[in-house]
Amino acid sequence: EVQLVESGGGLVKPGESRRLSCAASGFTFSNAWLTWVRQAPGKGLEWVGRIKSKADGGTADYAAPVRGRFAFSRDDSQKTLYLQMNSLTVEDTGIYFCTTAVSGADYWGQGTLVTVSS
Amino acid sequence: QSVLTQPPSASGTPGQRITISCSGGSSNIGSHNVYWYQQFPGAAPKLIIYRNDQRPSGVPDRFSGSKSGTSASLAISGLRSEDEADYYCLAWDDTLGGRVFGGGTKLTVL
Repeated sequence: EVQLVESGGGLVKPGESRRLSCAASGFTFSNAWLTWVRQAPGKGLEWVGRIKSKADGGTADYAAPVRGRFAFSRDDSQKTLYLQMNSLTVEDTGIYFCTTAVSGADYWGQGTLVTVSS
Repeated sequence: QSVLTQPPSASGTPGQRITISCSGGSSNIGSHNVYWYQQFPGAAPKLIIYRNDQRPSGVPDRFSGSKSGTSASLAISGLRSEDEADYYCLAWDDTLGGRVFGGGTKLTVL
């Protein structure tokens, strides 16, 4: 069974940093392209970015609002995806989901809530 | 303000056919595939259409997608109360250098 479990959310102050994790199981993690999507309270979905598999170059693409502040990384041996968030602002508040596609089906974690507030 | 424009709301009665539009431009829908997601309150989104008009396994054939030029549409036929949810389109945008969601459409089944 494919599972994605995000963790690391919580309350952070503006300007601070936070690292989120997404632990995966049930599929060949090293082959997967992984995506982060966020959703501010009561708002729509926002694509944050994605990281390719190492076989496909391992590069990442970021949405404009987070480019230069956020960084994705992956530990294929631990089957874990990371999202390092720096210089956080109140606009970064929301639920952060990790998602991937496996054999034509998409899978999402339950999300982890990040609240940026002073 | 997303580069993909969706109506904020749509409604229909049970059994009816409704469509939700997603309007973009040459840098996104005009040159890339469109994906559609369904989201219920408090839940993660679920992919219901990929590559413009393909349905993942398990998605009822009441759901269909289409694309023409710089616009895409999601159609739901035989509307049911359980279809009441938020629907989002998604496409890559060359100008932004990433994927972008539409603003979302809240579907109400009257």
